[in-house]
Amino acid sequence: SQTIHQWPATLVQPVGSPLSLECTVEGTSNPNLYWYRQAAGRGLQLLFYSVGIGQISSEVPQNLSASRPQDRQFILSSKKLLLSDSGFYLCAQKGPTNEKLFFGSGTQLSVL
Amino acid sequence: RKEVEQDPGPFNVPEGATVAFNCTYSNSASQSFFWYRQDCRKEPKLLMSVYSSGNEDGRFTAQLNRASQYISLLIRDSKLSDSATYLCVVTRTGYALNFGKGTSLLVTP
Repeated sequence: SQTIHQWPATLVQPVGSPLSLECTVEGTSNPNLYWYRQAAGRGLQLLFYSVGIGQISSEVPQNLSASRPQDRQFILSSKKLLLSDSGFYLCAQKGPTNEKLFFGSGTQLSVL
Repeated sequence: RKEVEQDPGPFNVPEGATVAFNCTYSNSASQSFFWYRQDCRKEPKLLMSVYSSGNEDGRFTAQLNRASQYISLLIRDSKLSDSATYLCVVTRTGYALNFGKGTSLLVTP
């Protein structure tokens, strides 16, 4: 089975502050990992995906970055948050032979 | 044209009613199709896959029309607990999943 740990559940940060959201997964080796954002009233937007350690693909240019230091760890970061970075951030995992996505419980980020 | 389009709703239906959601997709090369359910402030969860021949899971029936690039989800005998947002998802091998914005359903007593 696939288990995705994502924290924190809720985060309130001032504009200009840094961000680090961590996601760790269990149950599958070499998983494809994803970071999505869901802004209020909008659909899920793919931010980054990773097919392996150190391999990051960015879907949307912005002030966010991602890193994959270990096989089962995926980190979303920002050096300086913007108001527009507010949203619901979701980490997701897809097995190498499985088209389905499974999501972590998400982090609700409010930038004030 | 957006890759996956859904009627945002909201659909307000009484308990016991039958409700249907539609979804259209633009990429004819799409191969895999899913319906996800998302409760307020929660992560999306896989509801069911959608197969070419149509498939049923209890009160839920999903259908795919490749010629029209159209997917549907039918919910029979609606329960209060069915209230949620239903996301249509389309993908093909080697590509990221494309999510619709979702259709909101509210089942009332």
